[in-house]
Amino acid sequence: EPEVTQTPSHQVTQMGQEVILRCVPISNHLYFYWYRQILGQKVEFLVSFYNNEISEKSEIFDDQFSVERPDGSNFTLKIRSTKLEDSAMYFCASSPRDSYNEQFFGPGTRLTVL
Amino acid sequence: AQKVTQAQTEISVVEKEDVTLDCVYETRDTTYYLFWYKQPPSGELVFLIRRNSFDEQNEISGRYSWNFQKSTSSFNFTITASQVVDSAVYFCALSEAWTGNQFYFGTGTSLTVIP
Repeated sequence: EPEVTQTPSHQVTQMGQEVILRCVPISNHLYFYWYRQILGQKVEFLVSFYNNEISEKSEIFDDQFSVERPDGSNFTLKIRSTKLEDSAMYFCASSPRDSYNEQFFGPGTRLTVL
Repeated sequence: AQKVTQAQTEISVVEKEDVTLDCVYETRDTTYYLFWYKQPPSGELVFLIRRNSFDEQNEISGRYSWNFQKSTSSFNFTITASQVVDSAVYFCALSEAWTGNQFYFGTGTSLTVIP
């Protein structure tokens, strides 16, 4: 069964460094998303992406964040200058053409900012 | 205002007991979708069920059942004969057609099943 994959599973970085979190959505899906979950809290929407552009973003998704689909398979989330409060689990999700409300989540990347 | 409220933050039950996890949602949209996800200690989000706003039929899947009531804006989840492997955090989520396709998650209910 096809699934969303994410790499790395755990990323440790120093405050102020740039990080890129990678996701490979399910191959025939057209809608892509990033969510964040701070430890012990709920999952929060960051951004959705469709047709090579951002379709929606939350207040959390400020200028420090960017997303990109550099090729036909990868979908990346970049944090330019990480802060301690960026430490969280980051989930990627994707949806098929005909059912954008049915989102399939990846296993997550745990980001730790020191 | 919270779009999805899970009032129970932590629940503990003894194995084989039944347990119901509550979810109350808020939306002005007539077309929306409701979801339950399980998050085991390993951290991934495991999809359990998706329901659209036009289908109020309750659903049963093995030991799991869901009770969707639009009149009370609730979408409760019951586990019968709970098992230790059911121990996890359970999230209810809402997706509205008019706000696009982002998911609004509740704060989760941490379920512990004691052997």
